[in-house]
Amino acid sequence: DGGITQSPKYLFRKEGQNVTLSCEQNLNHDAMYWYRQDPGQGLRLIYYSQIVNDFQKGDIAEGYSVSREKKESFPLTVTSAQKNPTAFYLCASSTSGSVEQYFGPGTRLTVT
Amino acid sequence: ILNVEQSPQSLHVQEGDSTNFTCSFPSSNFYALHWYRWETAKSPEALFVMTLNGDEKKKGRISATLNTKEGYSYLYIKGSQPEDSATYLCASGKGSQGNLIFGKGTKLSVKP
Repeated sequence: DGGITQSPKYLFRKEGQNVTLSCEQNLNHDAMYWYRQDPGQGLRLIYYSQIVNDFQKGDIAEGYSVSREKKESFPLTVTSAQKNPTAFYLCASSTSGSVEQYFGPGTRLTVT
Repeated sequence: ILNVEQSPQSLHVQEGDSTNFTCSFPSSNFYALHWYRWETAKSPEALFVMTLNGDEKKKGRISATLNTKEGYSYLYIKGSQPEDSATYLCASGKGSQGNLIFGKGTKLSVKP
């Protein structure tokens, strides 16, 4: 089945530790995105990548880093510099030239 | 309007009722308007992507309209069913790169 996978579903970390969230897609999509959801707020764009080895900051990139070494993979690292890392993180992808995005199931990160 | 706004925030209806939600978005530099359905424990699922003023789209009992000049879109559900219970997200596209600005969503609960 084609789709987007995010792992793990739940992730717990201690404050001060970096943590990497996985996002993999087998849809052959060129573009990939990372969003964050907080209670009572809409999804906010963290980073996006239109092609391999290229990515751009979204609206709330501070404290996060990404890489795009493979077309299928777009991991997100939440660094210790992110002041409020506890949130629900969604990954999405789309074909080049299409605005429709397909979402993964998300990872809920809790940092204590 | 600087952000994407959705109303109401939540809605409780009886099975068989018809209902509608509103999405307001910046009308300047409009590119595309997206509607997603997000069921609990699942990935957001694209319902419609609309780009033209006056556009109307339909999928089964769900339909949507778009007014780009005044910056609003309506989502209609005819004869609501319990399986329609979900959060409905609206997002405005920022350009051809697919960056989306999301509203906070409307949470629909349909009682049998």
